[in-house]
Amino acid sequence: DTEVTQTPKHLVMGMTNKKSLKCEQHMGHRAMYWYKQKAKKPPELMFVYSYEKLSINESVPSRFSPECPNSSLLNLHLHALQPEDSALYLCASSQAIRDRINEKLFFGSGTQLSVL
Amino acid sequence: AQSVTQLGSHVSVSEGALVLLRCNYSSSVPPYLFWYVQYPNQGLQLLLKYTTGATLVKGINGFEAEFKKSETSFHLTKPSAHMSDAAEYFCAVSGVGSNDYKLSFGAGTTVTVRA
Repeated sequence: DTEVTQTPKHLVMGMTNKKSLKCEQHMGHRAMYWYKQKAKKPPELMFVYSYEKLSINESVPSRFSPECPNSSLLNLHLHALQPEDSALYLCASSQAIRDRINEKLFFGSGTQLSVL
Repeated sequence: AQSVTQLGSHVSVSEGALVLLRCNYSSSVPPYLFWYVQYPNQGLQLLLKYTTGATLVKGINGFEAEFKKSETSFHLTKPSAHMSDAAEYFCAVSGVGSNDYKLSFGAGTTVTVRA
């Protein structure tokens, strides 16, 4: 199994809603990532988890809250989002050697989020 | 910090023609370099990567890239374009230190293939 599975594929939410994005991989990878991608732009790194611990937070607003409950799952909790947060949210994973993260990323197909 | 510049935001080629996508990097030390492809409504997929060793790197789907230190370039080529090559292509760079593994992506190049 070389897949990273993201659910849901599409999500429409209001600015007062609370929703969650989910990501799952069964490749034994110990590094997991959230990226945000606007149309026709490169992905922007949001968070990195290494061995289920948050390693990198790229100064993301607190209305985005990541969670890594175990080595296979990664969640992104959303609350009080703004219309400018509408984007494709990509999850990725990679092998992780302690203190060094392998650069080959496996990406999911993403969740297309629209905030109304 | 490392960065990459992709020359040309859009490339249009005829089916069967050479595909050439240009990428130049900026790094104070030899970097790791990557090409990723993104098909419509999909995530990114690694085409190939250069870390150390042979400077000509072969990837999936018939693509290859050559690392040229003297030109600080890592251009992607494919001898004969297929319709299925229509996609967005991203060059990316990361450092080699244990605390410098973050990928930095270029702005991307959209490839269209004419029948």
